[in-house]
Amino acid sequence: GESVGLHLPTLSVQEGDNSIINCAYSNSASDYFIWYKQESGKGPQFIIDIRSNMDKRQGQRVTVLLNKTVKHLSLQIAATQPGDSAVYFCAEFSDNRKLIWGLGTSLAVNP
Amino acid sequence: GAGVSQSPRYKVAKRGQDVALRCDPISGHVSLFWYQQALGQGPEFLTYFQNEAQLDKSGLPSDRFFAERPEGSVSTLKIQRTQQEDSAVYLCASSRQDEQFFGPGTRLTVL
Repeated sequence: GESVGLHLPTLSVQEGDNSIINCAYSNSASDYFIWYKQESGKGPQFIIDIRSNMDKRQGQRVTVLLNKTVKHLSLQIAATQPGDSAVYFCAEFSDNRKLIWGLGTSLAVNP
Repeated sequence: GAGVSQSPRYKVAKRGQDVALRCDPISGHVSLFWYQQALGQGPEFLTYFQNEAQLDKSGLPSDRFFAERPEGSVSTLKIQRTQQEDSAVYLCASSRQDEQFFGPGTRLTVL
């Protein structure tokens, strides 16, 4: 079946360090992936996306890496700040254009 | 407003009551999605509209769940005869293309 999962359910980092959140997916036909950030009491917020014809995409302080060979996705956050504390989800577009979500990784930033 | 809005933000219902959850999408967004999110989990797809047409309702868990979008803008998710297992956050998202913009959600608690 199709699934998206995260390797680490929780991640604790020091302010200023870089954070890496990982995600595995199983549907090799997926062609579009998105990282979302969800703060407590709020809906998911788009961070960055990547299409399957790319290996890397950079945004402001965030980078997404896609390794199609091992079906792995990662989100790198540079110089992590307290405001980055949230739950991070990776999601993939399935064949029928539905978003399939992983379980989420909770990122805690220690001052 | 500029974003997706949902009301009410919180709803407490007694088991067996009917509830109606409202979503106001971003103006001009053709697609509208409903998701159910359990605590600590990623959102689960419920149903999808393109304008007023409900194109996919495969995620609705039972015939107690009903969604409509009669004029292709505001949408209502109705749950009849609520059960305790219906307790969750119900998220609405709208999109023009692939990127989905989420509302803050309605937290439903069924006692």
